[in-house]
Amino acid sequence: EPEVTQTPSHQVTQMGQEVILRCVPISNHLYFYWYRQILGQKVEFLVSFYNNEISEKSEIFDDQFSVERPDGSNFTLKIRSTKLEDSAMYFCASSELTDNQPQHFGDGTRLSIL
Amino acid sequence: AQSVTQLDSHVSVSEGTPVLLRCNYSSSYSPSLFWYVQHPNKGLQLLLKYTSAATLVKGINGFEAEFKKSETSFHLTKPSAHMSDAAEYFCVVHGGTSYGKLTFGQGTILTVHP
Repeated sequence: EPEVTQTPSHQVTQMGQEVILRCVPISNHLYFYWYRQILGQKVEFLVSFYNNEISEKSEIFDDQFSVERPDGSNFTLKIRSTKLEDSAMYFCASSELTDNQPQHFGDGTRLSIL
Repeated sequence: AQSVTQLDSHVSVSEGTPVLLRCNYSSSYSPSLFWYVQHPNKGLQLLLKYTSAATLVKGINGFEAEFKKSETSFHLTKPSAHMSDAAEYFCVVHGGTSYGKLTFGQGTILTVHP
């Protein structure tokens, strides 16, 4: 069965540094998402992406965050200048459509900011 | 706006006994509802989905859920727990108006005792 793959599985970064989290969505999917889960808290929506542009973003997704689909397979989340509170598990997801179609999630990248 | 409340943060059962994980939702629109499961150090795996067809939904691994509009509930059940069911379970609502944004409950950790 096709999978969403995320790399790296764990990223350790110094505060203030830039970090790029990478995802390869399922190949025939058109919609892409990032979520995050801070330890002990709910999974939170960050951003959705379709047709090479952001469809929707949450209030968490401020100017420090950006997403890109640099080629036909990868989908990336960049945090420009990381803060301690960015430490979380970041999940990438993809779906064929939005309504009624489930999102398929990767195993996540654990981001630790020191 | 939509929200999800999982009524139990932890549920503990003995192997072979029934499982009940409770979920209530709030949505301004006719919702799509999902249950996802997360095993340790793994991503979110779809268990089942409700998308306005049959109110009793069957999923993988013997799980099922019943959509009750009058009670705004979508409880997850399984007749007989297995040790491999031990994981964290998330009730999730898709509001239908946005580009695929999912809203998660806080999760229920299921422990299965031998």
